[in-house]
Amino acid sequence: DAKTTQPPSMDCAEGRAANLPCNHSTISGNEYVYWYRQIHSQGPQYIIHGLKNNETNEMASLIITEDRKSSTLILPHATLRDTAVYYCIVRVAVRNNDMRFGAGTRLTVKP
Amino acid sequence: GAVVSQHPSWVICKSGTSVKIECRSLDFQATTMFWYRQFPKQSLMLMATSNEGSKATYEQGVEKDKFLINHASLTLSTLTVTSAHPEDSSFYICSAMGGYGPTGNEQFFGPGTRLTVL
Repeated sequence: DAKTTQPPSMDCAEGRAANLPCNHSTISGNEYVYWYRQIHSQGPQYIIHGLKNNETNEMASLIITEDRKSSTLILPHATLRDTAVYYCIVRVAVRNNDMRFGAGTRLTVKP
Repeated sequence: GAVVSQHPSWVICKSGTSVKIECRSLDFQATTMFWYRQFPKQSLMLMATSNEGSKATYEQGVEKDKFLINHASLTLSTLTVTSAHPEDSSFYICSAMGGYGPTGNEQFFGPGTRLTVL
């Protein structure tokens, strides 16, 4: 699976949009981009994933560049409860394929 | 749907004893389960992959005789830390995959088990 690069930390004001970038320049055509987050001392929580098109769900939006070498996770209205470590993972979505976590981005939402 | 539980949520044990951690998929059948370990302020590190009814595949550097994994049913996998030592103190997280989710191959994570070895 391709490697990802994320900034180690980011701050965001409560109520504002949080935009978390991820570089995955070696991504293959069959690899999906997944985003998970981990709130302190809990298991990772799935947020969203995509292959080529932009995606949106009740939690976030995922913007993938046309060349698929980078993506941005957008939390439209960040709350204090969104403070967590956010992991961007690229992975072939096939059976038995594990999930490899990088260092992630520690997002701190401030009042 | 797609809920994964772990038991216990935390455990404290004496050095030299063995500890068993359970991982259950509550509402789907998990053909594959994964075990991760996470030290403070570090990311999750994959320890092993287990498929129901077969032996686990361990990552390089993980001692299979120390971390015994059993995946006897489609809803349960166990991790036993044998002869635990203080350096085994960590946050252990499991995940399960079973043909469920948007692509049919999503992983769903448990809440984790905090192990402290005295």
